[in-house]
Amino acid sequence: DTGVSQNPRHKITKRGQNVTFRCDPISEHNRLYWYRQTLGQGPEFLTYFQNEAQLEKSRLLSDRFSAERPKGSFSTLEIQRTEQGDSAMYLCASSLSSGQAGGPYNEQFFGPGTRLTVL
Amino acid sequence: AQKITQTQPGMFVQEKEAVTLDCTYDTSDPSYGLFWYKQPSSGEMIFLIYQGSYDQQNATEGRYSLNFQKARKSANLVISASQLGDSAMYFCAMSPPGGGADGLTFGKGTHLIIQP
Repeated sequence: DTGVSQNPRHKITKRGQNVTFRCDPISEHNRLYWYRQTLGQGPEFLTYFQNEAQLEKSRLLSDRFSAERPKGSFSTLEIQRTEQGDSAMYLCASSLSSGQAGGPYNEQFFGPGTRLTVL
Repeated sequence: AQKITQTQPGMFVQEKEAVTLDCTYDTSDPSYGLFWYKQPSSGEMIFLIYQGSYDQQNATEGRYSLNFQKARKSANLVISASQLGDSAMYFCAMSPPGGGADGLTFGKGTHLIIQP
């Protein structure tokens, strides 16, 4: 299976600890996205990369959140000094930019997510 | 700012019946795309169907069709001949303005339960 993978699938941590999640996109996809999904809500966009460049990060929830994609392949999302309000599902998605106007130019393929619980 | 509204928090439907999930959207951009995703209890978002704002015909993918009414800014998902495996959360989403590479804007979702 060559879909989007995320690790770990579940993470339980204590308030104040740092956590890091990994996302491996579909290999030929050049765009990678991070979303957060809280209970009863749809996914909320956080940030995205085109290759290794982080082109949008203003939606990151606070300066405790950071993301990297060092070689344009996998990406990591780090949350420092976790708070109970950070408990959520963190989803990663990837897509292939086509530049084709009117086409499914932004069809995103999602991974299974990492469920974070902050105690 | 873009906004997606899904007004049905939950729906119960008998197996084999057709079901319509409502979605309305708000955008000032003339170029946009609309998506529907399915999220089973396992958590993974599964792409179902796409409609571009300039597409002349409603999109169809197997048992899924999108009832696109541009003037009303609605993009309802129709599932024909529902199956037990269709039970899941369903999210309507919109691409960023101009089809750019920003993230999707999602609605709050509809929890669909198919009853035998």
